[in-house]
Amino acid sequence: QQPVQSPQAVILREGEDAVINCSSSKALYSVHWYRQKHGEAPIFLMILLKGGEQKGHDKISASFNEKKQQSSLYLTASQLSYSGTYFCGTEKGSGNTGKLIFGQGTTLQVKP
Amino acid sequence: GAVVSQHPSWVICKSGTSVKIECRSLDFQATTMFWYRQFPKQSLMLMATSNEGSKATYEQGVEKDKFLINHASLTLSTLTVTSAHPEDSSFYICIPVGAYGYTFGSGTRLTVV
Repeated sequence: QQPVQSPQAVILREGEDAVINCSSSKALYSVHWYRQKHGEAPIFLMILLKGGEQKGHDKISASFNEKKQQSSLYLTASQLSYSGTYFCGTEKGSGNTGKLIFGQGTTLQVKP
Repeated sequence: GAVVSQHPSWVICKSGTSVKIECRSLDFQATTMFWYRQFPKQSLMLMATSNEGSKATYEQGVEKDKFLINHASLTLSTLTVTSAHPEDSSFYICIPVGAYGYTFGSGTRLTVV
């Protein structure tokens, strides 16, 4: 079953923060986050494997609440390069090798 | 590590013809290969899963006789769209899975005219 992302779209000014949520009606074993620019393949941002895990890189971080079956992606002090469509992917089964089912995407537009 | 080569990047073909898309893992062995497609402004939808040397497993609603998948080696998988029609126009992405986890191909934009 496809995870649900919210919001569907976000418009920000440079320097503002954003949060994108991803929730599932089924138990999550891992959550992957990707960003896709128009006309390109998605690029990997990060993967969270354990409930309670939080990780980040530069000003993008994510958390995984296994109990609530949801993950959130935090974009801090957004830059123009953050614009794109963000997808969460949830894996059926554990082990980082199962099918990835992607959310419907969240379009982020960062304006100067 | 984890380099994937997907070719071609784009292809335009006439309705009724077949198109082959190649996906190679250049520096790792892919025990599993996922093929996805993405229609404009939509999410990535899984089409099929293949394991080296085995027949592919197709998702519900995906015609196995139309989308032929060959995963003959641990570094190469191909997707052939047979008798393509305009509704097959989409962005096709391979995701080989190996020691590095999931690595996305760069995608192939197929336009059927």
